[in-house]
This record gives sequence, structure tokens and C-alpha cells, in this order.
Amino acid sequence: DSGVTQTPKHLITATGQRVTLRCSPRSGDLSVYWYQQSLDQGLQFLIQYYNGEERAKGNILERFSAQQFPDLHSELNLSSLELGDSALYFCASSVDGTPGSSPLHFGNGTRLTVT
Amino acid sequence: AQSVAQPEDQVNVAEGNPLTVKCTYSVSGNPYLFWYVQYPNRGLQFLLKYITGDNLVKGSYGFEAEFNKSQTSFHLKKPSALVSDSALYFCAVRDRITGGGNKLTFGTGTQLKVEL
Repeated sequence: DSGVTQTPKHLITATGQRVTLRCSPRSGDLSVYWYQQSLDQGLQFLIQYYNGEERAKGNILERFSAQQFPDLHSELNLSSLELGDSALYFCASSVDGTPGSSPLHFGNGTRLTVT
Repeated sequence: AQSVAQPEDQVNVAEGNPLTVKCTYSVSGNPYLFWYVQYPNRGLQFLLKYITGDNLVKGSYGFEAEFNKSQTSFHLKKPSALVSDSALYFCAVRDRITGGGNKLTFGTGTQLKVEL
């Protein structure tokens, strides 16, 4: 068990809808990372927060947004959903703000299916 | 941008035999390289990393990786494979993001299948 909790585990929704994915990082970790995993694109980095502030931004669409709250949990909001957004979304956490300085601990992911 | 390549989609090995999962890198400057493993329906787990120092890095579950600068490779190895090692293995590199910050860029993954 990595200590990173993601909810929900599965999400099925229709095109055009909006969903929120939630992540609780491992106790003591200040960074939260969001990744998208799909068969055609592999693992894509979306965004990182460190202690409540955005630290790095990757291939995150404008329809997507995220935030990290004072208690360090994070939410990823996906809106105007398209079929191509169907994927496994992972949250990871680490102690510090530079990825790789300490290991990233991944949650088990949220599988999003857009119909 | 820094990148890694995993040339094999799948590697099959018999239990008890040595295993190698290949990774090559393309970086400017000194590479920060990592191996992660993903079991079915689970998130990725950290195995090991190379920053500087010894070219042979030891990690979790008996895995090790050899950093080879001349061949720009960072292959994952284990002397004796177990059926329980069957999983998806990802090589990764720390990459700088235009506009600020860093990220881990992952390879496409190699499915390891260990058979009895």
C-alpha cells in the first residue's frame, strides 16, 4: 500500500459532463502529481502541486484544472468531457518539490470512461 | 527535452533465469534516471534511481540497473526471475519543463512475463 488514496476508483460519465477526481497524498508528502495513462499516449504528466502552490505544468488541457487544498489533498477537475478523455488518472505524491529527489508514490488510479 | 526509450514491448523469461529490461536515454547534461513497476490494477511503484555515483544501482525486490554512459543505456536486471516479477516496467527520466519546473517523463513500458 502506497499510502496515496484516490477516489473514486471508477467513473462512467457522458460526453460534455464534468467530473472531479480526488487524491489524498501519503502522510507527510507535500507534492502531488497528476498523470494520465492511456493505451495510445502512455503516461502523460499533467500537473504538480507543492504545498498548495502549482509547481509544474505538463500536457494539461485547458478543460482540465486542479488544485491542492490546505490539508494537502488535491482535486483534478475535468470538464466538457470527450471520448478521448477516457483513461486511467493517477495521482502520486512525494516528500519534496523536485520530482525524483525522493520516490513518487502512486495511488491505484481512477478509471474514467466517457460514453 | 529529455526522453527515454524502451525498445521491447514484451520480454519473456523462464523462472530462475536472469532477466534484462532495456532502456536507452537521450538527455543533455547529467541524467536522472528511474525504474518503476506497475502490477495489474495498481499504481506505479518505485524500484530504483540513478543520479550520480556507482554505475550499478541496487533497488527493491532484488532488482538492479546498470548505467552505461557510452551506450546511453540504463537496463534493469535481476539475476534470477520469479513468476511474481511479471508486471509492466517503466523507465523514466527527470525532464525540465519549458516555463519552469521538472517532471518525470516515462517510457512506453515493457511487459515482463516470467513463466514456470
